[in-house]
Amino acid sequence: DAGVIQSPRHEVTEMGQEVTLRCKLISGHNSLFWYRQTMMRGLELLIYFNNNVPIDDSGMPEDRFSAKMPNASFSTLKIQPSEPRDSAVYFCASSPGLAGGLPYEQYFGPGTRLTVT
Amino acid sequence: AQKITQTQPGMFVQEKEAVTLDCTYDTSDPSYGLFWYKQPSSGEMIFLIYQGSYDQQNATEGRYSLNFQKARKSANLVISASQLGDSAMYFCAMREGDGGYQKVTFGTGTKLQVIP
Repeated sequence: DAGVIQSPRHEVTEMGQEVTLRCKLISGHNSLFWYRQTMMRGLELLIYFNNNVPIDDSGMPEDRFSAKMPNASFSTLKIQPSEPRDSAVYFCASSPGLAGGLPYEQYFGPGTRLTVT
Repeated sequence: AQKITQTQPGMFVQEKEAVTLDCTYDTSDPSYGLFWYKQPSSGEMIFLIYQGSYDQQNATEGRYSLNFQKARKSANLVISASQLGDSAMYFCAMREGDGGYQKVTFGTGTKLQVIP
């Protein structure tokens, strides 16, 4: 079975540009999480969705960040305009929720390393 | 207050020895769960073990066991018979609440290095 798929794996962009990160959930999972990891702040939850509905977006840094789930298996995280302080590794994770398996286990994607110059 | 505290930024262990990675947590919710994840240098996050607050027995998964001491609010990870491949960052995390709410808070991690 394919795990969580993220693209791109690496992104280098200039300050002010729009960046879109993509994530494909594991089939059958109904919860989706976006995390950001930096040396300074560790692993932070940005937003999580359950059944395509945003449940908690309190970790989204500011209005420059937005996340969507256009369908049950796909999500995007957009940064517009990007800034150097957005440089980090962005992880997407999915979970089966209460539908099956260990309900709260999160399966992480490989991450997208974003560098904003 | 920090919800998850990992006081050991780095640890060394001799190959084949056991090692304990510390984790304390803070919550007033009676329903919660504790996780440990491994992050090797390649960067991926790998789920290791889970303990629910109502679980009567300590969780075990192969060489990993979770020493859950509820009164002390600690959830230490024990790795037995360390292997070179165990060298990685280890994160403790907590989920609070019930009813399907799944927000997880991560600690700052412990870097484990296994010495041959």
